[in-house]
Amino acid sequence: EDQVTQSPEALRLQEGESSSLNCSYTVSGLRGLFWYRQDPGKGPEFLFTLYSAGEEKEKERLKATLTKKESFLHITAPKPEDSATYLCAVQADNDMRFGAGTRLTVKP
Amino acid sequence: GAGVSQSPSNKVTEKGKDVELRCDPISGHTALYWYRQSLGQGLEFLIYFQGNSAPDKSGLPSDRFSAERTGGSVSTLTIQRTQQEDSAVYLCASRRGGSSYEQYFGPGTRLTVT
Repeated sequence: EDQVTQSPEALRLQEGESSSLNCSYTVSGLRGLFWYRQDPGKGPEFLFTLYSAGEEKEKERLKATLTKKESFLHITAPKPEDSATYLCAVQADNDMRFGAGTRLTVKP
Repeated sequence: GAGVSQSPSNKVTEKGKDVELRCDPISGHTALYWYRQSLGQGLEFLIYFQGNSAPDKSGLPSDRFSAERTGGSVSTLTIQRTQQEDSAVYLCASRRGGSSYEQYFGPGTRLTVT
């Protein structure tokens, strides 16, 4: 069965303290892996799409990487405004599966 | 440019009443999805429309839930005889279609059943 697991569930960082969020997956026929950011009371905001192992995408302080089994969202020198829930989703042959998310808090 | 819009943003209803939630997708997007997100939980897939094909209703939790998409654009999610466990945020997303799989989400409708 297709599964997407994100870890940790919650992460608290000091401003400037770099870290990584993990998304591990088991799906049949990966067509794409997506990262979203969700702020409280809002819908998820699209960040990145990764299609194949070895691919990397960057946007400001965020960098997403992909292997055959997992993806990492690296956050470099985070700021308080990076606080949000980060969702990973995988498009398989038949459906799109979302992870439960990692709730990131960056303290000043 | 215009993104996905949903209305109402908030809806409070009494148990047993019917509700309708509306979604306006991004113009030109052929695929439309409905999800449910309970407090602190992940996204639960409800239903998927793609062009003129029959919708994928596999995620609808009960026969009290139904959805329509008129003219390949606007969609309405209807919940009949609402129950307290239906309280959640209902999110709509659209995507361009074809080999483009990125979904773009609306702001959601927060439904509270009292």
